[in-house]
Amino acid sequence: GAVVSQHPSWVICKSGTSVKIECRSLDFQATTMFWYRQFPKQSLMLMATSNEGSKATYEQGVEKDKFLINHASLTLSTLTVTSAHPEDSSFYICSATRLAGGSSTDTQYFGPGTRLTVL
Amino acid sequence: GESVGLHLPTLSVQEGDNSIINCAYSNSASDYFIWYKQESGKGPQFIIDIRSNMDKRQGQRVTVLLNKTVKHLSLQIAATQPGDSAVYFCAETVGGSEKLVFGKGMKLTVNP
Repeated sequence: GAVVSQHPSWVICKSGTSVKIECRSLDFQATTMFWYRQFPKQSLMLMATSNEGSKATYEQGVEKDKFLINHASLTLSTLTVTSAHPEDSSFYICSATRLAGGSSTDTQYFGPGTRLTVL
Repeated sequence: GESVGLHLPTLSVQEGDNSIINCAYSNSASDYFIWYKQESGKGPQFIIDIRSNMDKRQGQRVTVLLNKTVKHLSLQIAATQPGDSAVYFCAETVGGSEKLVFGKGMKLTVNP
């Protein structure tokens, strides 16, 4: 159990276009989903925390108007990179915590990541 | 500010050896620690976790040790196998926060 999927697994787009990445918890309901960005040979950096039915909380330095997050249900969160530029090229990873854990330190289950390349 | 770092950027071991990956953290309010394994092009995979009220926790072939006095965390992998080759990250949460702070990562290479 506790499987998180992402779609697409990779995407190439032209500069100036928008790209949507989906994150789904397949076999559990997620209270919270997180979005991370990882540049080559670097660690994961938290971009935002997403709770179902409410606005996402963005980390300092992350532009909320550029990285739109929608958490429409307990199993789906989407990240839209608007007006993408080459510097947005990165590995985007989501994670999710279970609904019934009852603890703020519930294990985060990670998706497989989405490789975004902006030309 | 908060930081979680690793002592060694790379570690190369022979198959069958035991591996030890170290991690230092700086925030005394850190209360939950996790080790993740990340293979190339994939998302992090949970290995083992430990809460701050514990010193040691064991899993299958893995042991995590926590020394709160010196703010040090280690992951021990017994009988390392080629399939253990990956980048390992330690991560922590602070003060009951749900946010994970990741360390820089260390690449483990297991030679057959």
